[in-house]
Amino acid sequence: ETGVTQSPTHLIKTRGQQVTLRCSSQSGHNTVSWYQQALGQGPQFIFQYYREEENGRGNFPPRFSGLQFPNYSSELNVNALELDDSALYLCASSLKVAFHEQYFGPGTRLTVT
Amino acid sequence: ILNVEQSPQSLHVQEGDSTNFTCSFPSSNFYALHWYRWETAKSPEALFVMTLNGDEKKKGRISATLNTKEGYSYLYIKGSQPEDSATYLCALETSYDKVIFGPGTSLSVIP
Repeated sequence: ETGVTQSPTHLIKTRGQQVTLRCSSQSGHNTVSWYQQALGQGPQFIFQYYREEENGRGNFPPRFSGLQFPNYSSELNVNALELDDSALYLCASSLKVAFHEQYFGPGTRLTVT
Repeated sequence: ILNVEQSPQSLHVQEGDSTNFTCSFPSSNFYALHWYRWETAKSPEALFVMTLNGDEKKKGRISATLNTKEGYSYLYIKGSQPEDSATYLCALETSYDKVIFGPGTSLSVIP
């Protein structure tokens, strides 16, 4: 079984630009969640996708959007980047069953200058 | 907004000491409480999923308890080892398909 992978590892963007982060789910998992982790904080829930549909969303503005593909891989898109978007972005895959643990990727470090 | 708190923020212990830290939350309206271990430069790793009041889980030297009535969970590490050094995160899985993380407890085990 393959683990969760994310790309790229690091990324530097300028304020106002757009960015796409990618996540490949663990084999057999149909649910992916995205988190933003700022320095000194726990991961903050952005949204969750289940079978290609958004299935829950945290307190993030609409410029944060996502996609899930038929193979259950996923993208996180952020438009009009702001300096405060600088953070580690984690994705986690799981099965859509009660109490199932999530498997995290290593994260993408985004720096907005 | 549901707020998950963890204490202490950081902890330094000697190798061989036992330690524990706390996850607290104001509501029992959730599906499950998760504990994760996050080592530097690695991905967060699931330790336990806890669902019932009085639930207890154990994995080797690490164990956890859950008290939903009073809104807390404890994580215990018996005989800490340097490889236990990590940030320990708790997270509530709520009824709206959201997972709310606490800020974590950073543990350093000194050889």
